[in-house]
Amino acid sequence: AQKVTQAQTEISVVEKEDVTLDCVYETRDTTYYLFWYKQPPSGELVFLIRRNSFDEQNEISGRYSWNFQKSTSSFNFTITASQVVDSAVYFCALSEANTGGFKTIFGAGTRLFVKA
Amino acid sequence: DAGVIQSPRHEVTEMGQEVTLRCKPISGHNSLFWYRQTMMRGLELLIYFNNNVPIDDSGMPEDRFSAKMPNASFSTLKIQPSEPRDSAVYFCASSRSGGVLREQYFGPGTRLTVT
Repeated sequence: AQKVTQAQTEISVVEKEDVTLDCVYETRDTTYYLFWYKQPPSGELVFLIRRNSFDEQNEISGRYSWNFQKSTSSFNFTITASQVVDSAVYFCALSEANTGGFKTIFGAGTRLFVKA
Repeated sequence: DAGVIQSPRHEVTEMGQEVTLRCKPISGHNSLFWYRQTMMRGLELLIYFNNNVPIDDSGMPEDRFSAKMPNASFSTLKIQPSEPRDSAVYFCASSRSGGVLREQYFGPGTRLTVT
């Protein structure tokens, strides 16, 4: 069965600090997809990144970077030089190809507070 | 391009009443998902459609819940009769399906309060 664990319930940092959000997943499928979504205080979930199980290259997008390691079943998300606007709940999610990729399981989310 | 549209944004109703939530997916997207978000249970997938056909409704909590997708541009989630424990934020999301899995785009959600 697929499962996503985000062990950090809440994280509080001061602006300009770097912060890493952890995500550990479980799956029996060899082909799967991992995602990160952001839910700001406004409530709408915003897609950040998608990764498939065959692509372990790390990715950087501005202040955001993602570290995918199949050996530890982790897909961690780092924000460099955090800003107040980064305050949100961040969700890691997993979809298995054998479900047609339709069934996405979300982690419980990590609430990030960035203080000025 | 317009994103996923949901209505109403807020709904307050009394226990026992029928509630209908509406969703218009992004044009060209042929997969549609309904989720429920609560503090206790987090984000739960209720049902999803592909090409207007329900694929998996195993997440629908009870027979009081039903969903339809009569065409590619409209879906409804109905709760009849509603109960206080149904209070939650209900999200609709859409994506392009196909050989390569796509990310989902979420609507703003409907905050439902059942008193």
